[in-house]
Amino acid sequence: EAQVTQNPRYLITVTGKKLTVTCSQNMNHEYMSWYRQDPGLGLRQIYYSMNVEVTDKGDVPEGYKVSRKEKRNFPLILESPSPNQTSLYFCASSFRETNYGYTFGSGTRLTVV
Amino acid sequence: DAKTTQPNSMESNEEEPVHLPCNHSTISGTDYIHWYRQLPSQGPEYVIHGLTSNVNNRMASLAIAEDRKSSTLILHRATLRDAAVYYCILGLGAGNNRKLIWGLGTSLAVNP
Repeated sequence: EAQVTQNPRYLITVTGKKLTVTCSQNMNHEYMSWYRQDPGLGLRQIYYSMNVEVTDKGDVPEGYKVSRKEKRNFPLILESPSPNQTSLYFCASSFRETNYGYTFGSGTRLTVV
Repeated sequence: DAKTTQPNSMESNEEEPVHLPCNHSTISGTDYIHWYRQLPSQGPEYVIHGLTSNVNNRMASLAIAEDRKSSTLILHRATLRDAAVYYCILGLGAGNNRKLIWGLGTSLAVNP
């Protein structure tokens, strides 16, 4: 089944403890992206990647890092999480051309205390 | 930045058609119009997208105004499983790295 897989689905952590949220897709998509969803603010893009070893900042990149060493994986790294990063996170992927839709993962609900 | 405007909520009856409107008056010539929906506790799900012409697929139809400043998502026969938040989104075109500009969506309730 074609899908985007995120892990973990739920995570509670403490301020300052480094964490990684994994994202993997099995559709050979070039484009991958991370979003966070907050009440009243909708989905906002954190980082995106147009292909392997090509990443760039979205609208809210502060406090996050990403890497794209392989086509299928696009992990989101929080080096020193803070409570304002408590949110629902989604990974998405697509083919690079503009006439394709996106496939989203099921989400990771992160709570930083 | 380009943006979309949708009603906060709409209601429909089961097995009736639903027309979900969206205004995007600042759309640029290369921007695609996307629709996604999000069921509770799930990730957004692709519904349909188009550039200039009306589009049909197994889930829905997309009617795009001639001036492209508005569009309508049409669910031909609503079912209870169609109750979700529907997002009208602009997919920025060439040179904008495929960025999606999200609004707050329309929450659709479907009555049995």
